[in-house]
Amino acid sequence: DQQVKQNSPSLSVQEGRISILNCDYTNSMFDYFLWYKKYPAEGPTFLISISSIKDKNEDGRFTVFLNKSAKHLSLHIVPSQPGDSAVYFCAASARTGNQFYFGTGTSLTVIP
Amino acid sequence: DAGITQSPRHKVTETGTPVTLRCHQTENHRYMYWYRQDPGHGLRLIHYSYGVKDTDKGEVSDGYSVSRSKTEDFLLTLESATSSQTSVYFCATTDGSSYEQYFGPGTRLTVT
Repeated sequence: DQQVKQNSPSLSVQEGRISILNCDYTNSMFDYFLWYKKYPAEGPTFLISISSIKDKNEDGRFTVFLNKSAKHLSLHIVPSQPGDSAVYFCAASARTGNQFYFGTGTSLTVIP
Repeated sequence: DAGITQSPRHKVTETGTPVTLRCHQTENHRYMYWYRQDPGHGLRLIHYSYGVKDTDKGEVSDGYSVSRSKTEDFLLTLESATSSQTSVYFCATTDGSSYEQYFGPGTRLTVT
């Protein structure tokens, strides 16, 4: 069973607007969450992360929000740029283990 | 970039043949991972290594074996390739001090 879920396979946003990508997880042992960005024919690259002791982490245009009670995290991109068009994966890990669990990905298209 | 290379980058093979994919890193990272990426499934962990000769199974390990005889190399072997193993395979590493993983460029494997 998928422990990390991204229920929106795709998202289109106008340039300059906010992009919101969502991720849900089921395992309450997860205590660290990451977002990766992937361009076609390349490997994923790390974007931003958040520990379960925080509910928000910001890095430039990217902010990740964590709602532990709902087992939900989201990635906000403001303002969205055409170069942000990519597939975004969320991932989760439990401190007690060495494994990472990835969602199915959301393909973001930013329209100029 | 963490200096991760994968070889070959593309391979077509026939059902029933053994196949070995290689991941090479120059960062002296302790942990190495093999994932496969499939539509609708995202990235799924096949096997990982937490040191030379130390490996463990991931979510989808059936039909795959791994070996790590040197810190820099992590080999993934499909013992007898099947069409269901047609996929894009990614190697990743981390030094263990953070949760961030560095990914290789991927190997596209087609089993006919």
